[in-house]
Amino acid sequence: DQQVKQNSPSLSVQEGRISILNCDYTNSMFDYFLWYKKYPAEGPTFLISISSIKDKNEDGRFTVFLNKSAKHLSLHIVPSQPGDSAVYFCAALNAGNNRKLIWGLGTSLAVNP
Amino acid sequence: GAGVSQTPSNKVTEKGKYVELRCDPISGHTALYWYRQSLGQGPEFLIYFQGTGAADDSGLPNDRFFAVRPEGSVSTLKIQRTERGDSAVYLCASSLSSGEGETQYFGPGTRLLVL
Repeated sequence: DQQVKQNSPSLSVQEGRISILNCDYTNSMFDYFLWYKKYPAEGPTFLISISSIKDKNEDGRFTVFLNKSAKHLSLHIVPSQPGDSAVYFCAALNAGNNRKLIWGLGTSLAVNP
Repeated sequence: GAGVSQTPSNKVTEKGKYVELRCDPISGHTALYWYRQSLGQGPEFLIYFQGTGAADDSGLPNDRFFAVRPEGSVSTLKIQRTERGDSAVYLCASSLSSGEGETQYFGPGTRLLVL
C-alpha cells in the first residue's frame, strides 16, 4: 500500500524549459514533505521541503507547491538544466508522531540539451 | 564540513554470513536513521536513533537485523545469517534534532550483495 505515489516513472524536458514533477499522498496525517534528488551510486540529496501550513516554498530554481485538499504536491524546476537530470523522490512524514520518511518510487528526469 | 559517511561502500557476502555496516553522521546531529533501498524502489525506513537509544525500530524486517549507536554518534547496522533478499543499498541519514520538520541528510549508502 503506497502512501506516497509518484505516478510518472520518467520525464523528459528540454533545457531551459520547466520541469514539473508530481506527487500524491494518501495519509492525511502527513504534515511535512520533502523532495530529494538522487544521482546513480550516490545517496539522496535534499532539495526543498514544505510544511503543511504552507502552500508554496521557493528556493532559487526550485519551487514546491502543496495542495492539501487534493493531497497533492509538485516540484517545479525553472529553468531546467542538463545537470538536473537525476531521479527525484518525494517523501513525507508525520512530524508529531514519528520521524520515519515515507517515500515515493521516484521519477527519473532527463533534461536534454 | 563533512557529510554523512558510510563504510564499506560495497559489500559482497555469501548467504548465511554476518555483516556489519557502519555510519558516521554529521557532527552534532543527534538523530540517526537507517533506510534500505531495493532496485526500482524508494528508500524504506528501518530504524531511527535519538541519541544512543532506538526511538523507533518498527522498520527492521526481522530479528536478524539489529542496530546500535553506543555513544550517540557512530552507528552500526548488523545483519545475521544474511539472505539473498537482503541485497539492497543501505542508506544512513542524520538530522540536527528530532524536532518537527528537521531535514534528514543522507550518506552515499552501502551496496550489499548477498550471493
